[in-house]
Amino acid sequence: GEDVEQSLFLSVREGDSSVINCTYTDSSSTYLYWYKQEPGAGLQLLTYIFSNMDMKQDQRLTVLLNKKDKHLSLRIADTQTGDSAIYFCAEQGTNAGKSTFGDGTTLTVKP
Amino acid sequence: DTGVSQDPRHKITKRGQNVTFRCDPISEHNRLYWYRQTLGQGPEFLTYFQNEAQLEKSRLLSDRFSAERPKGSFSTLEIQRTEQGDSAMYLCASSLDPYNEQFFGPGTRLTVL
Repeated sequence: GEDVEQSLFLSVREGDSSVINCTYTDSSSTYLYWYKQEPGAGLQLLTYIFSNMDMKQDQRLTVLLNKKDKHLSLRIADTQTGDSAIYFCAEQGTNAGKSTFGDGTTLTVKP
Repeated sequence: DTGVSQDPRHKITKRGQNVTFRCDPISEHNRLYWYRQTLGQGPEFLTYFQNEAQLEKSRLLSDRFSAERPKGSFSTLEIQRTEQGDSAMYLCASSLDPYNEQFFGPGTRLTVL
């Protein structure tokens, strides 16, 4: 079945760039998503990319997709302490039904 | 519209009891999804509806679990004869159509004693 893998932890200094990586197995993935989850809060959609795109930029966020390697990354420029959270990568297949999530990357931003 | 709402936010029950959760999606969203999230893991898909039709169910959804969306608006998820392993956050999401992003509710945290 589908699988999504992420590294568990990332620590950066305030003002640096953060890069969170994700790999997935479903070659028929149509949409790939990045969600943010803060302690005690629900999932917040940050950005998404359609599978026929290589890159998408949205303010401080840049998403890169390497479809050949099934690799997705999220770059956060000028990382702030408020960016500290768990970031989930998710893929949605061509049947546009369920999304399959990774186990999340905990981003810690040190002042 | 205030987004996806879920009720209750927290539920503590004893093993063997039945529980029911409710999800109210964003109005006019015809897709509704249920996920389960345990500590340290990402959400796991349980089931989804297109209007009132339940289109897919995960293998995780044992026969103790049942979900309904009778009028194509709100949905309920019932767990019968709860077990300690059912303790988790139950998340609901909705989307306008299949190819729009899913908006998540705050979740219902279930604790089975």
